[in-house]
Amino acid sequence: KNQVEQSPQSLIILEGKNCTLQCNYTVSPFSNLRWYKQDTGRGPVSLTIMTFSENTKSNGRYTATLDADTKQSSLHITASQLSDSASYICVVSAAAAGNKLTFGGGTRVLVKP
Amino acid sequence: EAGVTQFPSHSVIEKGQTVTLRCDPISGHDNLYWYRRVMGKEIKFLLHFVKESKQDESGMPNNRFLAERTGGTYSTLKVQPAELEDSGVYFCASSHTGVGYEQFFGPGTRLTVL
Repeated sequence: KNQVEQSPQSLIILEGKNCTLQCNYTVSPFSNLRWYKQDTGRGPVSLTIMTFSENTKSNGRYTATLDADTKQSSLHITASQLSDSASYICVVSAAAAGNKLTFGGGTRVLVKP
Repeated sequence: EAGVTQFPSHSVIEKGQTVTLRCDPISGHDNLYWYRRVMGKEIKFLLHFVKESKQDESGMPNNRFLAERTGGTYSTLKVQPAELEDSGVYFCASSHTGVGYEQFFGPGTRLTVL
């Protein structure tokens, strides 16, 4: 069964600090892994997308890593800002499945001043 | 370019009633997806349209759910009759065709069944 597990479920950090979110997956066959940011009351917005051959990708202060051997990914947020408060969702796409996405439960990040 | 839009943003209905959710994808996107997030759970796939055809409806929970995409433009998702466990947020997403194309999500419709 395809699954995506994220940790921690939630975290609180002070503005300006860094944090790292974790994602483990068992989706097979693997196509790509995406990190989404979801603000309250909004739909998810893509931050990064990585294929099998990519092991790191950055989008501003967001840096995602992928280890396809261990089936793990992380999302690092550098110098957090108040606007980073949101849920961050790890999503894995299975090859030959019509680009169907399997979602993790998300990590809720709260950045405090 | 306008994003994916969904209507209504919120719907509160009583058990046994019918509700129809609408999704307008980004213009030119052949792929349209419906997802659902129930309280405390992860977002789950419901079904996938390519133009007006259902490509994959393996995530539809039961036959009380009916999705249509007449003409390959907007899509509707009807729940009839609604049950308490249907409460949640229903997301629609659209994309171009091809592996790796980003799916753009709408803001979701929050459905509450009382």
